[in-house]
Amino acid sequence: EMQVVESGGGLIQPGGSLRLSCVASGFTVSRNHMNWVRQAPGKGLEWVSVLHSGGSAYFAESVKGRFKISRDNSKNTLYLQMNSLRVEDTAIYYCARGGPPAAFDFWGQGTLVTVSS
Amino acid sequence: QSALTQPASVSGSPGQSITISCTGISSDVDGYNYVSWYQHHPGKAPKLMIYDVSNRPSGVSSRFSGSKFGDTASLAISGLQAKDEADYYCSSFTTNNTVAFGGGTKLTVL
Repeated sequence: EMQVVESGGGLIQPGGSLRLSCVASGFTVSRNHMNWVRQAPGKGLEWVSVLHSGGSAYFAESVKGRFKISRDNSKNTLYLQMNSLRVEDTAIYYCARGGPPAAFDFWGQGTLVTVSS
Repeated sequence: QSALTQPASVSGSPGQSITISCTGISSDVDGYNYVSWYQHHPGKAPKLMIYDVSNRPSGVSSRFSGSKFGDTASLAISGLQAKDEADYYCSSFTTNNTVAFGGGTKLTVL
C-alpha cells in the first residue's frame, strides 16, 4: 500500500528554521516528482515546491530563496528545509506525489507549522 | 504566480448537477492541457478527481467530469450526493514549471 507520512512541524519563532520530512512507502521517491503543498488557516491550497525525479527543483515565488527541497534515496524520504520563516508561512504542509504535470495523485495527512512569537 | 479564479461557493440539491469554473491566463490554464481538480474534506488529505483536463483516476466516480475552453476549465458533478459536499480546488501547470491552484470552491449539498 502506498503511503506518505509527514513530520517535523511545530511552533517556531519568526526568523527561525525548520525541516519537514516526508517518508514514503509503497513507491520510490527518487523515481517520482515529489511536491510540497501548504494550506494556511482558513485559506486555500498553495503549491510550494517540487523536486523532479531528474533532480530539478522549483519553488513558489513566496518561498524562493528561503526554502530548499531535497531527498535521501536511502531513506526514501523527501525533505523541505524552511529558513527565515515568517508568520505567513504558518500552514499545514502536505507532501504529495506528482504524476502528470500539476496532478498530485497521492497525499499525506500533513504536518502543522506555526510561526509565531 | 497568481492564483486561478474559482467561485467561492456553489450549491445544489441531491440528484442535481453543478459546475465549478476555474479561470486562468495564457501562461497556465490557456497554455496547457494540464488542469487538475481536487476534492478536499476538512481534516483529510486532498483527493485527485480529474487530471489533464478531463481524465479520471481509477476509482473516481463517472459522475465527475472535466473540460476546458480557452482560459477556463470546468468541473461538473452530476447526480449530487451528500458525500460530495467538500471544498474543490483546480490546479494548472504554468510556464515557469510551477503549479498554480485556484482559491477553492465550497460545495454545499442542500
